[in-house]
Amino acid sequence: DSGVTQTPKHLITATGQRVTLRCSPRSGDLSVYWYQQSLDQGLQFLIQYYNGEERAKGNILERFSAQQFPDLHSELNLSSLELGDSALYFCASSGGGAYQETQYFGPGTRLLVL
Amino acid sequence: AQKITQTQPGMFVQEKEAVTLDCTYDTSDQSYGLFWYKQPSSGEMIFLIYQGSYDEQNATEGRYSLNFQKARKSANLVISASQLGDSAMYFCAMREKAPWANNLFFGTGTRLTVIP
Repeated sequence: DSGVTQTPKHLITATGQRVTLRCSPRSGDLSVYWYQQSLDQGLQFLIQYYNGEERAKGNILERFSAQQFPDLHSELNLSSLELGDSALYFCASSGGGAYQETQYFGPGTRLLVL
Repeated sequence: AQKITQTQPGMFVQEKEAVTLDCTYDTSDQSYGLFWYKQPSSGEMIFLIYQGSYDEQNATEGRYSLNFQKARKSANLVISASQLGDSAMYFCAMREKAPWANNLFFGTGTRLTVIP
């Protein structure tokens, strides 16, 4: 158990809908990262937050957004969903965000868009 | 250019034998970290081992060791005494110090199958 929690574990929804994925980092970790894992794109970085502030953006679509709350939990919002958004979404956390720090991953949310 | 290259899509190893999973990386940053993660069929990503670019000794963590050859830009994972539970996907990843590269870059992974 990495100490990172993600809910829900599975999500099935329809095209055009909006969903919210939730992540709680390990106790004491200030940085939260979101990754998407799909068969065709592999593991891709979406976005990073540090202590409530957006720190870095990767290949995140404009239809996707995220935020980190004062209690450090984070949410990833996916809207106008398309079939291609079906993927495993991971949240990871690390202490301060330094490059040497290990990122610990949550169990992931498996999203299926029908 | 790919930042992380894993050239072995699949590998087989006999139980109790050692196996090496290859990883090469590409960076112009002097400061970086290399990570290996294991992803079993259940889907979670499990951290295995870390090697920093300034570390002079190869990292070891139980049955896992990292064969770090900086000049060749390779960071191969060695698993000794393979067990059936080692069957999984293995990902090599890198993170650079540069502030515009705050994320892990992952390779495409190697699927390891341990044969009884």
